[in-house]
Amino acid sequence: DAMVIQNPRYQVTQFGKPVTLSCSQTLNHNVMYWYQQKSSQAPKLLFHYYDKDFNNEADTPDNFQSRRPNTSFCFLDIRSPGLGDAAMYLCATSRDQREGTDTQYFGPGTRLTVL
Amino acid sequence: LAKTTQPISMDSYEGQEVNITCSHNNIATNDYITWYQQFPSQGPRFIIQGYKTKVTNEVASLFIPADRKSSTLSLPRVSLSDTAVYYCLVGGLNTGFQKLVFGTGTRLLVSP
Repeated sequence: DAMVIQNPRYQVTQFGKPVTLSCSQTLNHNVMYWYQQKSSQAPKLLFHYYDKDFNNEADTPDNFQSRRPNTSFCFLDIRSPGLGDAAMYLCATSRDQREGTDTQYFGPGTRLTVL
Repeated sequence: LAKTTQPISMDSYEGQEVNITCSHNNIATNDYITWYQQFPSQGPRFIIQGYKTKVTNEVASLFIPADRKSSTLSLPRVSLSDTAVYYCLVGGLNTGFQKLVFGTGTRLLVSP
């Protein structure tokens, strides 16, 4: 089945130690998104890739970076994780569609713990 | 992006119909209304989407009045597995991608 896969599902890192979360998709979608979801809160968009074009949300901290080496893969890099970065990180994809609207397909998420 | 308002939580029992209303007073002409469902420790899942009147699929119905300033998600005969957070989102495409701004969501608890 076509899907969005996130690895690992659970990640523990130390304060200040860089960490990378990965996302892959078999849907061949043009757009990939990263969301941060803290406990009991709604998902918040960090940035997205439209093909290779990177689009950062205005309030996304510089500590968060992303890479998309090809259509199928996208990475979230947290350069110096702080305690406040502990959250569920969700990857999503959608097709390139010029009219109307489209559905986003979410992965299961990676829960990040910062010690 | 249109702001949405929905109840923080709702309680129901198995077999009942649940209606969750979302208000979006400043919806734009080209905005669609979309509902997502999220179970604990999972990513949100698309439920239904509509522009006006009524949309029905195998999971739910979406009722949108003529002024489109509100919408109602209807879940027929809920079961325990429908316990989840339901998000109402309003928006359209922007140069080929869809920007989703999640509101607080409605936490639905279904009891036996």
